[in-house]
Amino acid sequence: EAQVTQNPRYLITVTGKKLTVTCSQNMNHEYMSWYRQDPGLGLRQIYYSMNVEVTDKGDVPEGYKVSRKEKRNFPLILESPSPNQTSLYFCASSDLAGDLATQYFGPGTRLTVL
Amino acid sequence: GENVEQHPSTLSVQEGDSAVIKCTYSDSASNYFPWYKQELGKRPQLIIDIRSNVGEKKDQRIAVTLNKTAKHFSLHITETQPEDSAVYFCAASNGGKLIFGQGTELSVKP
Repeated sequence: EAQVTQNPRYLITVTGKKLTVTCSQNMNHEYMSWYRQDPGLGLRQIYYSMNVEVTDKGDVPEGYKVSRKEKRNFPLILESPSPNQTSLYFCASSDLAGDLATQYFGPGTRLTVL
Repeated sequence: GENVEQHPSTLSVQEGDSAVIKCTYSDSASNYFPWYKQELGKRPQLIIDIRSNVGEKKDQRIAVTLNKTAKHFSLHITETQPEDSAVYFCAASNGGKLIFGQGTELSVKP
């Protein structure tokens, strides 16, 4: 089954404790992206990757890191989480095919930073 | 950078009526405009998209129109049904960057 998976689905942590949210897709998609969703602000792009070893900043990259060492994985790293990073996070992937095409979203990770 | 404004923020219609959601964008280089539907507690799902070389696209009860000169695009849902109730997001893309509108909560009353 074609899918995008994220782990963990729920996480409660404390300020300053490094964490990684994993994202994996089994569709051989070139493009992957991370978004955060906050009430009243919609979805905002954090980072995206057009292919292996190619990453670019989205709209709100501050406080986040990413890496793309393999095509299927695109982890999101919070080296020193702060309460303002409490949010619902979505990973997505797309078969680039020249231009951005249909994005498939993962199930989401609800992060709470105390 | 790109900015996408979406209106209205909430929309309530009677079942069978039409619903229209409008978005404007600022970056004339944007060339891909998807619309997503997000039901409560679920992930966003693409419902229709349009590219800058096309003015209109239709898929059953859903249509999207794009006016490149005015830099706005709209989602039209005809013959609305209660299952159309959800939050709808527009977005604009240039390359890999994707900017979303703030969302429209559509409520279809039976």
